[in-house]
Amino acid sequence: GIQVEQSPPDLILQEGANSTLRCNFSDSVNNLQWFHQNPWGQLINLFYIPSGTKQNGRLSATTVATERYSLLYISSSQTTDSGVYFCAVEGYTNAGKSTFGDGTTLTVKP
Amino acid sequence: NAGVTQTPKFRILKIGQSMTLQCTQDMNHNYMYWYRQDPGMGLKLIYYSVGAGITDKGEVPNGYNVSRSTTEDFPLRLELAAPSQTSVYFCAMSDRGNQPQHFGDGTRLSIL
Repeated sequence: GIQVEQSPPDLILQEGANSTLRCNFSDSVNNLQWFHQNPWGQLINLFYIPSGTKQNGRLSATTVATERYSLLYISSSQTTDSGVYFCAVEGYTNAGKSTFGDGTTLTVKP
Repeated sequence: NAGVTQTPKFRILKIGQSMTLQCTQDMNHNYMYWYRQDPGMGLKLIYYSVGAGITDKGEVPNGYNVSRSTTEDFPLRLELAAPSQTSVYFCAMSDRGNQPQHFGDGTRLSIL
């Protein structure tokens, strides 16, 4: 199956700083999603982005499918951005079967 | 709209007991999924369904069973609970394949 690697595993920032989270995957994908798991354990879908660039407020994401990676940018970070960020992909040969990375744990300090 | 509703939120089982985790969605979405999340790890797919009457195995199906008799409901059954099944279980839905998945709040299950 597809392998998904996220980096860095942990990230600590001061409020107001910018950050970039990376997701590498081992095969072609037709589905890539970024999720935020808040400290209460809830999973929020941030982006559905199999290719191209999307922006939503202070967050943006870019997927370069031909090079098999995606980036999540967080600008002007806030303490409420803390939590775990997951990347999940789905390959062409496994429709419906998403593979998650192990996540990046972000801590934003006031 | 509640989206995906999971019950119960917490449960403690003894080894060998059985139980059903409930998942209901009110968006009339075709695809539904069950994941488990172990501490410090990402989510692993247990089973998924592309519509009523259709289910398929994910990455870690052993020890679990599912059914999908209606579009709304996708229960997950543990027949003989084992300590290795201690985890947080998430149910999710999507309108169809290759669409964003939306999650319930999870069920925290401990087996002692």
